[in-house]
Amino acid sequence: DAGVIQSPRHEVTEMGQEVTLRCKPISGHDYLFWYRQTMMRGLELLIYFNNNVPIDDSGMPEDRFSAKMPNASFSTLKIQPSEPRDSAVYFCASRSGTSGGAGEQFFGPGTRLTVL
Amino acid sequence: AQSVAQPEDQVNVAEGNPLTVKCTYSVSGNPYLFWYVQYPNRGLQFLLKYITGDNLVKGSYGFEAEFNKSQTSFHLKKPSALVSDSALYFCAVRDFTNAGKSTFGDGTTLTVKP
Repeated sequence: DAGVIQSPRHEVTEMGQEVTLRCKPISGHDYLFWYRQTMMRGLELLIYFNNNVPIDDSGMPEDRFSAKMPNASFSTLKIQPSEPRDSAVYFCASRSGTSGGAGEQFFGPGTRLTVL
Repeated sequence: AQSVAQPEDQVNVAEGNPLTVKCTYSVSGNPYLFWYVQYPNRGLQFLLKYITGDNLVKGSYGFEAEFNKSQTSFHLKKPSALVSDSALYFCAVRDFTNAGKSTFGDGTTLTVKP
C-alpha cells in the first residue's frame, strides 16, 4: 500500500480564495482524521470520520472550514474564504477500526498551506 | 475525558547516552497509549503502543516505553541515543471505551548531539 496520500503537497494562495485539500486513506481503514499543525498551536484535531460519517467536528475553527468524505477512498477539507491565519501544515491520517480501537494512526505527508 | 502531558518541550542528550522522553496521561477507563515521531517536513510516524499485557513495550529503531499505571506514565526510552534520533516526539492516549479519537501531547523536541 502507498500509505495515506495527500494533495497538493504545497499550496500558496491569496486571502479570500477557496482552498481544497485532498486525502486518500489507506485501503480498508475506516477512520479518517484531519489535523492542523502550527508552531503556535501545535497539532490540532479538526474533524474525524468513521465509515465516511463525520463523528466529531468540534475542532473545526469556524464555518469557513468544511470537510467531506463521499466514499471510503477520498476526503476533502475545504477553506472558503481563506485567511492568512489559516497558514499551517494540514495532515490527514487513517486508522483501522478492528482490534477494538487499539490501532495506530497512519499519517500522510501533509499539505503546507500558505495564505498571503 | 482523556488528556496527555509532555512536561518537557526540549530534551538534549549526547550521542551514546540513554534518553528518556516523558509522558503522563489521564483517562476515565483503561488507556491505549502511543508514541509517534515526526522528522522535519514529514508526517508523524508510529513508534510503539501499549494496549495490554507486559508493561515494557518495544518498538521501532530500538525505542521502548514503560507503562506505569500507578504513576499514569508512559515514558519513551532508548539505551543509546543516535544523532539520527533527533526529531519531534508525540505521546498520545485513547480511552479504550472511546473507539474514536486519540488525544496528542504538545510534543517534545529531542536533540542528540555528537
